[in-house]
Amino acid sequence: GAGVSQSPSNKVTEKGKDVELRCDPISGHTALYWYRQSLGQGLEFLIYFQGNSAPDKSGLPSDRFSAERTGGSVSTLTIQRTQQEDSAVYLCASGAVRQETQYFGPGTRLLVL
Amino acid sequence: SQQGEEDPQALSIQEGENATMNCSYKTSINNLQWYRQNSGRGLVHLILIRSNEREKHSGRLRVTLDTSKKSSSLLITASRAADTASYFCATVPREDTDKLIFGTGTRLQVFP
Repeated sequence: GAGVSQSPSNKVTEKGKDVELRCDPISGHTALYWYRQSLGQGLEFLIYFQGNSAPDKSGLPSDRFSAERTGGSVSTLTIQRTQQEDSAVYLCASGAVRQETQYFGPGTRLLVL
Repeated sequence: SQQGEEDPQALSIQEGENATMNCSYKTSINNLQWYRQNSGRGLVHLILIRSNEREKHSGRLRVTLDTSKKSSSLLITASRAADTASYFCATVPREDTDKLIFGTGTRLQVFP
């Protein structure tokens, strides 16, 4: 598996429930990013991890959103008390060199009913 | 808010024709990248141009960068039906190099 993987591919949940989205970056990549893409829109930056440094959380839209990266590899994005406006495709990307090419996973399509 | 704005929003052409997409941005950049997205899922990196470069080529792709106008263009020559996708520009701001700020994208449809 050479690419970035994400799970689940699709998630349908009820308003108010919590969801966890997972990202497995390319092995050895120190940079990891989460984005959100609403239907027909561009990508909205959410959070960035670089090695063992404190993450850049400046893009998280509310305190219902959080993310962690364990052991500098796998990352989990958690959305608490989901709202309908959280429905979107959540994309993860990793990179070997900061500021340079990012490699994207296939995304998780989240639908909040 | 997103830094990049792209035009046109949508473009339809015949196979064999050239496709040109434009991107404008607001602040000084470290580099600018173009990505392609099929079917609303993962993005694929196409090309990166640095702020001190003016033009770059990769196969049928040609990218230009005009930092004085804060704009870039992506030209796809001799288009193919398989080029049908959404194309996004993305910038790394000079003052915030942890981020990649995406434009709104151009939806390209190439008819066989």
